[in-house]
Amino acid sequence: EAQVTQNPRYLITVTGKKLTVTCSQNMNHEYMSWYRQDPGLGLRQIYYSMNVEVTDKGDVPEGYKVSRKEKRNFPLILESPSPNQTSLYFCASSPRWGVHEQYFGPGTRLTVT
Amino acid sequence: GIQVEQSPPDLILQEGANSTLRCNFSDSVNNLQWFHQNPWGQLINLFYIPSGTKQNGRLSATTVATERYSLLYISSSQTTDSGVYFCAVEETSGSRLTFGEGTQLTVNP
Repeated sequence: EAQVTQNPRYLITVTGKKLTVTCSQNMNHEYMSWYRQDPGLGLRQIYYSMNVEVTDKGDVPEGYKVSRKEKRNFPLILESPSPNQTSLYFCASSPRWGVHEQYFGPGTRLTVT
Repeated sequence: GIQVEQSPPDLILQEGANSTLRCNFSDSVNNLQWFHQNPWGQLINLFYIPSGTKQNGRLSATTVATERYSLLYISSSQTTDSGVYFCAVEETSGSRLTFGEGTQLTVNP
């Protein structure tokens, strides 16, 4: 089944403890992206990747890192999480950037205390 | 950047009623998608519709790109249709989807 998967789906952690949210797609898509969703602020892009080894900042990249060492995976890294990173995170992918439908993962609900 | 406005912000229906949700956008777009966010937070793809009309069961969508709007029609609504409906667009010069603020739909039995 063609899909975007994220792990973990739910995570409660403490300030400063490094964590990684994984994202994987099995559709051979070139483009991948991370969004966060917050009440009153909607969905905002964190980082995106046009292809392997090509990543760029979105609208709200502060406090996050990403890597794209292989086509199928695009992990989101929080080196030192803070409470303002409590949010619902979505990973998305599409065959190529531009004029293609984007497919979203199921979301990761992160709470930082 | 591009602006995306959805209306109405909230909509309450009785089961079986029909509804129309609207999405206006401020610039030319390469991509327009409609999503349903269910009560568990998952974003479900409804339509990829940068132009034209599509139908999928009780749902249909129309995008008039030249006039910069899209409509989502829900017929014979069911309680499982409840949730937030988002319109998202990709502007021709951008690198991301820009989401509207959504329409919160509640369908009562």
